[in-house]
Amino acid sequence: EPEVTQTPSHQVTQMGQEVILRCVPISNHLYFYWYRQILGQKVEFLVSFYNNEISEKSEIFDDQFSVERPDGSNFTLKIRSTKLEDSAMYFCASSQWADTQYFGPGTRLTVL
Amino acid sequence: KQEVTQIPAALSVPEGENLVLNCSFTDSAIYNLQWFRQDPGKGLTSLLLIQSSQREQTSGRLNASLDKSSGRSTLYIAASQPGDSATYLCAVRGNDMRFGAGTRLTVKP
Repeated sequence: EPEVTQTPSHQVTQMGQEVILRCVPISNHLYFYWYRQILGQKVEFLVSFYNNEISEKSEIFDDQFSVERPDGSNFTLKIRSTKLEDSAMYFCASSQWADTQYFGPGTRLTVL
Repeated sequence: KQEVTQIPAALSVPEGENLVLNCSFTDSAIYNLQWFRQDPGKGLTSLLLIQSSQREQTSGRLNASLDKSSGRSTLYIAASQPGDSATYLCAVRGNDMRFGAGTRLTVKP
C-alpha cells in the first residue's frame, strides 16, 4: 500500500541554522501539507500546497518557513533560521483531492 | 476561529466494551471531518472521513457520525480490543485543518 515517507526521522540542529525536511507524498496525490506537533500539544496546520503554489497557510508559517516541490516526487519544508521553539514533530501529509489526508511518520526536529 | 474540543481527554475500558469518543467544533462551515489514531511517538493513521454532506461513515468496528448544525461528531468503537489503545484525534477541515487535543484510550485485557 502506498504511503507518505519522510526523511530524516530525527534532525538535531543548532539555533540559527537552516534545516530542510523532506517528504515523498503518495505518487498520484495532488495536495500536500505540512503540520507540526510540539511535544504534548495539538497537531497544528502549517501550510497546504496545490498546483505548485501555496493554497493556505497558518499564522505559524511566517517568513522563516518555505515549501518547495523541487521535482515530481519530493516536497520540502525549509526553516531558514531555527529557533528553540521550532523543536517539534513535523508531519507531511498528502491527499488525492481535498479529502482524506495520509500522514507520514514525521521528522522530530530538535533545536539546541 | 475554529476551535475543536475532544471529550474525554482520557478513557480506560476493559476489553470487549463498546465506547464513544466525542468531538465538538465551534464553526459549522466545514468541508469534512476526519478521525485519526496516533500511537505514541508515531504519525497519524486515518480512520474515517465524513464529508460535510454526510451523516455517518463506517469501517469495520468503527462508526463515525457528524451533526454539522450542532458542531458535533462521535466515534463509536465496538467490541474494543487492547490493540485499539492509542490517542484518537478528530480534525475539522475548513480553510485549514484544525485538530482536537485527542482522547487517550486504554483498553485493558
